Amino acid sequence: DIQLTQSPSFLSASVGDRVTITCRASQGISRYLAWYQQKPGKAPKLLIYAASTLQSGVPSRFSGSGSGTEFTLTISGLQPEDFATYYCQQLNTYPVLAFGGGTKVEI
Amino acid sequence: QVQLVQSGGEVKKPGASVKVSCKASGYTFSSFAISWVRQAPGQGLEWMGWISTDNGDTNFAQSLQGRVTMTTDTSTRTAYMELRSLRSDDTAVYYCARNSPRLWGSFDVWGQGTMVTVSS
Repeated sequence: DIQLTQSPSFLSASVGDRVTITCRASQGISRYLAWYQQKPGKAPKLLIYAASTLQSGVPSRFSGSGSGTEFTLTISGLQPEDFATYYCQQLNTYPVLAFGGGTKVEI
Repeated sequence: QVQLVQSGGEVKKPGASVKVSCKASGYTFSSFAISWVRQAPGQGLEWMGWISTDNGDTNFAQSLQGRVTMTTDTSTRTAYMELRSLRSDDTAVYYCARNSPRLWGSFDVWGQGTMVTVSS
């Protein structure tokens, strides 16, 4: 099974900061990676798929990059509403689609 | 609009079963598979399994093999997830989510979640 390791697990930042979250896969997954945002008490929301393609309606301050085993989610100019937990998900072994452990971003 | 609406919260005793429903609307049901994801209190997301709404094929997480069943009723556009032999560590919010082929299989629409509490 492909394991996904996110770092850091917890991140404290200020409004306006540039924030980067890393997701490492235990084996190469090409660009088969998605990122989700989850706010407390809510269902996750798709932000990015195919490692770097922004889902419709997602603000452009979110961006993704990477391929193979290392991926990053960057938030450029953190906003108060970005307080949330972020998860990566590998799409390479569809339909078995495991998630990373999550990164909690505290403003 | 496109949405998935799940059934309400449940409280079950250890050893019992629970069946959660997920009703789709606003799109062609058989064109998108459904996955189930759960989240224990304060924990991360755990992929549970997948069902094709086209032919009923399923694939489950190894940790749940033998205890979980997923089905669909195309006449009512509803997907179901049944978990048996419940334990306290099955206490979680259970989500259904739509797999989008155009988005490389990622989950573009989610249900609101169903809280299942297992307690004696």
